[in-house]
Amino acid sequence: EPEVTQTPSHQVTQMGQEVILRCVPISNHLYFYWYRQILGQKVEFLVSFYNNEISEKSEIFDDQFSVERPDGSNFTLKIRSTKLEDSAMYFCASSEGQEGGYGYTFGSGTRLTVV
Amino acid sequence: AQSVTQLGSHVSVSEGALVLLRCNYSSSVPPYLFWYVQYPNQGLQLLLKYTSAATLVKGINGFEAEFKKSETSFHLTKPSAHMSDAAEYFCAVRSNNNDMRFGAGTRLTVKP
Repeated sequence: EPEVTQTPSHQVTQMGQEVILRCVPISNHLYFYWYRQILGQKVEFLVSFYNNEISEKSEIFDDQFSVERPDGSNFTLKIRSTKLEDSAMYFCASSEGQEGGYGYTFGSGTRLTVV
Repeated sequence: AQSVTQLGSHVSVSEGALVLLRCNYSSSVPPYLFWYVQYPNQGLQLLLKYTSAATLVKGINGFEAEFKKSETSFHLTKPSAHMSDAAEYFCAVRSNNNDMRFGAGTRLTVKP
């Protein structure tokens, strides 16, 4: 069964450093997403991406965040200057379509720890 | 705007007992509803989804959910809990041209 692949599985970084979280969505999917889950809390929407541009973003997704699809397979989330409160599990997801019946396929996540 | 509310952040049942995890939705347009499961230190796995084809939806691992428009609910059930069902369960909603939104999650504990 096709999978969404995320790397690394765990990243530790110092406050103020830049991090790039990487995702390889399912190959025939066109819509891509990032979600965040702070330990013990709900899964929060960050951003959706389609046709090489952001479709929607939440209030969490401020100027410190950016997304990119640098080639035909990777989808990245960059945090420019990490803060302690950015520590969370970050999930990438992809979907075939924008119609509501399409579910999302999620990756296993990257656990980001900012120290 | 669309949202889901999960009643009960923690549910504990005995092995073999009925599992009932509650989810209520709010949506101004016809919703599509999902249940995801998250095992410890893992990602989100789709259990089942409602896409208007049938109100009673069967999913993996013996789970099912019933869409009740009159109650704006999509509760998840399983007749007999197994130890391996212990996990975090998330209800989610989306509609056409809208992104998926999750509830706060319900942690299911299964006692031997």
